[in-house]
Amino acid sequence: DIQMTQSPSSVSASVGDRVTITCRASQGLSNWLVWYQQMPGRAPKLLIYATSRLGSGVPSRFSGSGSGTDFTLTISSLQPEDFATYYCQQAYNFPLTFGGGTKVEI
Amino acid sequence: QVQLVQSGAELKEPGASVKVSCKASGFPFTDYNIYWLRQAPGQGLEWMGRITPTSGDTKYSQKFEGRVTMTRDTSINTVYMELTRLQSDDKAVYYCARSMAAAGTFDYWGQGTLVSVSS
Repeated sequence: DIQMTQSPSSVSASVGDRVTITCRASQGLSNWLVWYQQMPGRAPKLLIYATSRLGSGVPSRFSGSGSGTDFTLTISSLQPEDFATYYCQQAYNFPLTFGGGTKVEI
Repeated sequence: QVQLVQSGAELKEPGASVKVSCKASGFPFTDYNIYWLRQAPGQGLEWMGRITPTSGDTKYSQKFEGRVTMTRDTSINTVYMELTRLQSDDKAVYYCARSMAAAGTFDYWGQGTLVSVSS
């Protein structure tokens, strides 16, 4: 199974800050990396797929980059509605696996 | 609009089975694979398996092989996930999700179904 390691596990930030979350895979994924945002008590929401492609309706302040084993999610200017938990997921092969999550807190 | 609506919360005793439904609307049901995932309280996401509605073909995580069964009823655009031999660590919110053409990328999710296991 491919292990997905996210860092940091939590980050404290303020509105307007630039936030970067990293995700490392235990083997190469090509560009098969997905990011989700999850609010408390809600289902995850697709943010970015294929490493850097924005999901439908996702604001442009979110961006993704990387290749191989190292990937990054960047929020260029944090907004109040962005305080949530973020997960990376590899879509390269089965079993699909997720990172442990990064909680973005005020 | 695309919707996946799941059945309600369940409370089961250890050793019992649970069957969760996921009704799809707003898109051609047979054009998309449906996946099941779960999230234990305060924990991350875990993939359980997927079903192809056209054929009924399934693929399960090895962790759940032998305990999970995914089925579908194309006449009512609904997929089901049954998990048997429930234990306390099966307590979780169970989600169905639609996969984009890029397999294993989930663009729409159900609202989740809490399954609790307690005697």
